[in-house]
Amino acid sequence: GAGVSQTPSNKVTEKGKYVELRCDPISGHTALYWYRQSLGQGPEFLIYFQGTGAADDSGLPNDRFFAVRPEGSVSTLKIQRTERGDSAVYLCASSPGAGSYEQYFGPGTRLTVT
Amino acid sequence: GENVEQHPSTLSVQEGDSAVIKCTYSDSASNYFPWYKQELGKRPQLIIDIRSNVGEKKDQRIAVTLNKTAKHFSLHITETQPEDSAVYFCAPNGGSGGGADGLTFGKGTHLIIQP
Repeated sequence: GAGVSQTPSNKVTEKGKYVELRCDPISGHTALYWYRQSLGQGPEFLIYFQGTGAADDSGLPNDRFFAVRPEGSVSTLKIQRTERGDSAVYLCASSPGAGSYEQYFGPGTRLTVT
Repeated sequence: GENVEQHPSTLSVQEGDSAVIKCTYSDSASNYFPWYKQELGKRPQLIIDIRSNVGEKKDQRIAVTLNKTAKHFSLHITETQPEDSAVYFCAPNGGSGGGADGLTFGKGTHLIIQP
């Protein structure tokens, strides 16, 4: 079946602008995660949704970052007033939930802030 | 929060030999221990995982062993092949004990298979 998809695959924006990154999880997966990966590093956890609610947003670096999942499926990560340090690959993962812990990753969105 | 360390950072082995990568973690409440493989420019791919009630799990040429008392788990790859060349990450889950927490990734091990 279809895996996790993310759009856009690449996004270039100017410092100070607002961006939205979209994640489509595997159909039926109740848990959804956002991570950020900088060059040469492992992914860094940002936020986790169980259904529509954010179960853990402790990884969001500051209040410029926000994420929603209004219908319990698609999620959008929103970044306000982007800074050059926000440049990274933003990865989304989904998990079946209900006692299954495996997380399956999407291809990521490469964000470049100029 | 969870502190994860992975060793070695780079590992070069001859094709056909075995490779072992070790991961140590700090949060005793972690109960899920996956390994991911990431090729250049690609997404992380789950290759094997283990839960805290099991000591070892094997899937063909790869295996994972867990020592929960010492808080470390290891990835074992036997009969290595050129396509095993990649960066490998360990990523224990968070400490709520619920299992579905976010993962804390190590810094990665670059595995190089020499022909």
